[in-house]
Amino acid sequence: EVQLVETGGSLVQPGKSLKLTCATSGFTFSNAWMHWVRQSPEKQLEWVAQIKAKSNNYATYYAESVKGRFTISRDDSKSSVYLQMNSLKEEDTAIYYCCYYRFAYWGQGTLVTVSS
Amino acid sequence: DIVMTQSPSSLAVSAGETVTINCKSSQSLLYSGNQKNYLAWYQQKPGQSPKLLIYWASTRQSGVPDRFIGSGSGTDFTLTISSVQAEDLAIYYCQQYYDTPYTFGAGTKLELK
Repeated sequence: EVQLVETGGSLVQPGKSLKLTCATSGFTFSNAWMHWVRQSPEKQLEWVAQIKAKSNNYATYYAESVKGRFTISRDDSKSSVYLQMNSLKEEDTAIYYCCYYRFAYWGQGTLVTVSS
Repeated sequence: DIVMTQSPSSLAVSAGETVTINCKSSQSLLYSGNQKNYLAWYQQKPGQSPKLLIYWASTRQSGVPDRFIGSGSGTDFTLTISSVQAEDLAIYYCQQYYDTPYTFGAGTKLELK
C-alpha cells in the first residue's frame, strides 16, 4: 500500500525558515517523480515543486511564487522528499501535501502557518 | 503559465440529478506525440486530501464509480456526474499536467439543494 506522510508543519514568523518532510512507503521511491502541492485557507490548490529521479539527474522545478526561497530535495535511502522553505511570507500559509505518480497519491498534508 | 478556468464555482443539486462541470485551459493540453490530453479531475471532501478521479481527460482512476465521466480535448473539458449521490458532495478541481507550473482550476463546490 502506497503511503505518504508529511511532517514538519508549524506556526512560524514571517522571514523564518521551516523544513517539511514526506516519508513514503509502498512503492519504488528511487524511480519516483515527487511533488509538493499546497492548499491555501481559501481552498485554492497550487503546485509548488517537483523533483525527478536519479535517472533524470534529480531535476527540479518550482512555482514562480517560491522560486529562490524554497528547495525541494530527496533522500532515496530514506524514501523521503523534503521541502526547505526560507524567507517565509504570510501568503505561504497553507496545507502542504506531497504527491506521487501523476498526482494519484497524496499524503494527509501538514499545516504551515506564517504569522507574527 | 497555463490558466485553468472552471465553471461554475458552485452548484446546488438534488440527489439523482446529472451535473456538468466545465474546465477551460488557456492553451491546448493535447500532446501531438501521443494524442493524450494532460488534464486531470480531483474530488476533495471536507478534511480530506484531494482524490484523483480522472486522468488523461477521460480515464477513470481505479475504484472510481462509472457515474464520473470525463470528456473533452484541446482546451475544453467537462466532468459529468450522473445520478449524483450524497457522497459526491465535495469540491471538484481540474488540473493540467502538460507543463510546469502544473496549474489547477479554482474549484467547483457541489452542494445539496
